[in-house]
Amino acid sequence: GQQVMQIPQYQHVQEGEDFTTYCNSSTTLSNIQWYKQRPGGHPVFLIQLVKSGEVKKQKRLTFQFGEAKKNSSLHITATQTTDVGTYFCAGTGAGSYQLTFGKGTKLSVIP
Amino acid sequence: DADVTQTPRNRITKTGKRIMLECSQTKGHDRMYWYRQDPGLGLRLIYYSFDVKDINKGEISDGYSVSRQAQAKFSLSLESAIPNQTALYFCATSDLRRGENTGELFFGEGSRLTVL
Repeated sequence: GQQVMQIPQYQHVQEGEDFTTYCNSSTTLSNIQWYKQRPGGHPVFLIQLVKSGEVKKQKRLTFQFGEAKKNSSLHITATQTTDVGTYFCAGTGAGSYQLTFGKGTKLSVIP
Repeated sequence: DADVTQTPRNRITKTGKRIMLECSQTKGHDRMYWYRQDPGLGLRLIYYSFDVKDINKGEISDGYSVSRQAQAKFSLSLESAIPNQTALYFCATSDLRRGENTGELFFGEGSRLTVL
């Protein structure tokens, strides 16, 4: 079945440093989504990428979808304490209706 | 009020007991999902339903069953709970936009289940 790998599993950064999490799929994806889960909370949708090579920005967050549509990344510039949480990527295989989640990257920000 | 409501929010039960987790939504979405979250394992799909007459198994359906009682209600049952079903369970809904296989998921607050 489809597998979505996400690295790193944990990341500790000093406030103000940048942060990147990477997502790789074993198969070509039709789309990829990113979610954020705050401690004790539920996952909240951030963005969906559909096109090969697509880049989208949301304030300090930059999302990329690889040319082959098998990998993606989320980059946060100048982290803040409000960025703390676990970031999940989730991909849909071509022709599939199931969203497969990566295991997530847990971000800690040291003030 | 939350758009996706799960009950109960917390439940402690014993091995062998039957447990039902309920989910209701006011978003008017056709698609509903049950996910399980375990530390370090992310979210894994148990079952999903695209409408009242459509039920599909996800990647970890063994030991679980579901019922779609109405467009707004989707319940998850554990017929005979076992300790390794201890987890955080999330219900989610989605709408579908033209040209998409999957849409944005809207999650409930979660139901934490402990099986002793």
